[in-house]
Amino acid sequence: GAGVSQSPSNKVTEKGKDVELRCDPISGHTALYWYRQRLGQGLEFLIYFQGNSAPDKSGLPSDRFSAERTGESVSTLTIQRTQQEDSAVYLCASSLGGTGQGYTFGSGTRLTVV
Amino acid sequence: KNEVEQSPQNLTAQEGEFITINCSYSVGISALHWLQQHPGGGIVSLFMLSSGKKKHGRLIATINIQEKHSSLHITASHPRDSAVYICAVSPDSNYQLIWGAGTKLIIKP
Repeated sequence: GAGVSQSPSNKVTEKGKDVELRCDPISGHTALYWYRQRLGQGLEFLIYFQGNSAPDKSGLPSDRFSAERTGESVSTLTIQRTQQEDSAVYLCASSLGGTGQGYTFGSGTRLTVV
Repeated sequence: KNEVEQSPQNLTAQEGEFITINCSYSVGISALHWLQQHPGGGIVSLFMLSSGKKKHGRLIATINIQEKHSSLHITASHPRDSAVYICAVSPDSNYQLIWGAGTKLIIKP
């Protein structure tokens, strides 16, 4: 597609429910990144994919968070048993390679856990 | 026109040089972020600014809210500073981010 697409753009969920956030990167971009920003805080790196593998998962905050990528394309970030502190904007970006060239960012998914 | 513009897109300098990367934006903001990504790595948040100036080690970030402009400076640059530096803003209306395209910095020894 023309840009990085994230869905849904907004999600309100009840505490304890599971959520799935989707990212469609630019076609041909081998690198894909997830990160989040909680209100009033800086950015937090979550996970980085090169192709379908994730060489860097260091930012996933707990074992309730997982992500996968298939076909070197779509990625899904799953949060199980959501907690109120999971409320944030979850951002996805893609680039041509792991060097960070040609970044394109999605507009994010705003997750609210009530 | 992008709402967040960074310049330059690419910058190559010699070790020890003073580096400046600029970011201009056209929307009202509550905060501006500078981030760094090393090749093959994740993104590190360097600064979050809403006014004035912040310093961390050899890195200095400034923001002029009236002029809608921010700069990131690196003093005594070193090859390990080689990375992509990204500016992003949090608009007044919400805390979703608008991103610059990044500046790729290479410091040669």
